[in-house]
Amino acid sequence: DAGITQSPRHKVTETGTPVTLRCHQTENHRYMYWYRQDPGHGLRLIHYSYGVKDTDKGEVSDGYSVSRSKTEDFLLTLESATSSQTSVYFCAISGSSGANVLTFGAGSRLTVL
Amino acid sequence: TQLLEQSPQFLSIQEGENLTVYCNSSSVFSSLQWYRQEPGEGPVLLVTVVTGGEVKKLKRLTFQFGDARKDSSLHITAAQTGDTGLYLCAGTNSGGYQKVTFGTGTKLQVIP
Repeated sequence: DAGITQSPRHKVTETGTPVTLRCHQTENHRYMYWYRQDPGHGLRLIHYSYGVKDTDKGEVSDGYSVSRSKTEDFLLTLESATSSQTSVYFCAISGSSGANVLTFGAGSRLTVL
Repeated sequence: TQLLEQSPQFLSIQEGENLTVYCNSSSVFSSLQWYRQEPGEGPVLLVTVVTGGEVKKLKRLTFQFGDARKDSSLHITAAQTGDTGLYLCAGTNSGGYQKVTFGTGTKLQVIP
């Protein structure tokens, strides 16, 4: 969607290799999120950020780390990818307080062999 | 962990039929959103409800937030093939950072 881009869109990697997914926004929104989507589980929050250098864990954070050095960029890193991390990863942004509305990127499909 | 259970998980109906999707939780939410997701894309917001008992209409779609702000429903009247997709409810709890919890999703297929 306009204002939020994810890269890469598709990646195939091998078990044990590091992987970094990038989320870039041009909306100057404060909040950024990484979700993973798997059949039968819906969208599950991995990590989120509430400002530059301010991040916190979500419900499925094991095996993942994040960094946010600039407002516009939120990186998700798999230090040593495992097959259980094969998934579609979505980045989302939110700028308002109160009723929370998320704008999602188009997703990054990761396959770990 | 707050859970949002959606039912049914799958729904296949004929064009022109009506349907209702439910989103239930034991937790109270300050707001609840409904999203629709099409294959290969991210979810897109349909509506936000904030007040207990609130009803919002978006053309043929009617959204209701439960009085206790623990549940919600989405009713589609005279479904069209363009309504096909994955419907997700999502709740936000107040009091802290904006962590959004998503429901398990309802996959709707409308057959012409």
